Amino acid sequence: GAVVSQHPSWVICKSGTSVKIECRSLDFQATTMFWYRQFPKQSLMLMATSNEGSKATYEQGVEKDKFLINHASLTLSTLTVTSAHPEDSSFYICSARDRTATQGEWETQYFGPGTRLLVL
Amino acid sequence: AQSVTQLDSQVPVFEEAPVELRCNYSSSVSVYLFWYVQYPNQGLQLLLKYLSGSTLVKGINGFEAEFNKSQTSFHLRKPSVHISDTAEYFCAVSLINDYKLSFGAGTTVTVRA
Repeated sequence: GAVVSQHPSWVICKSGTSVKIECRSLDFQATTMFWYRQFPKQSLMLMATSNEGSKATYEQGVEKDKFLINHASLTLSTLTVTSAHPEDSSFYICSARDRTATQGEWETQYFGPGTRLLVL
Repeated sequence: AQSVTQLDSQVPVFEEAPVELRCNYSSSVSVYLFWYVQYPNQGLQLLLKYLSGSTLVKGINGFEAEFNKSQTSFHLRKPSVHISDTAEYFCAVSLINDYKLSFGAGTTVTVRA
């Protein structure tokens, strides 16, 4: 149980184009989804917190017009990197919290496998 | 704000030897603590977590961690490692009822035969 998928697993795009990454909770409904960015050999940096039906909350320093987040349903959140540039190349990972989790589990985040983005 | 320090960036270890990964945190309020493992080109998998209660927490794959409030530490241990334990390990902390995770820089464990 508690499986999170991401699509695509990797993508190569030209500079200036937009790329959409999907994050799905496959066997549970997600109260909240999180988007992280990870540079090579570095830790995960939280980009934004996404709640179904409401606007995402972005961390300081993250451009909300650059990284558009849509959380249209309890099982799907999307991250769109608009007008991508080479410096946006990174590993993007999403995570989700289970809406029906009981005490002792509701603080646990389940992570997707990640999406590697390369902007040429 | 809370923060996490992983004291070892790389830990080489021989197969069947014990390993300890050190993690210290800083927070003015109570926190939840987590250890995650990341295999190459994959997402993160939860190894174990401390929420409350017993300070010795057992996780998957034979790992355990001990919460020490006075030393603000949450070190991860395994008595005998396997080649398959080669991975990146992240310690993370969240404030109670906040749910945002702050990650340490990670520790690369390389297990050699």
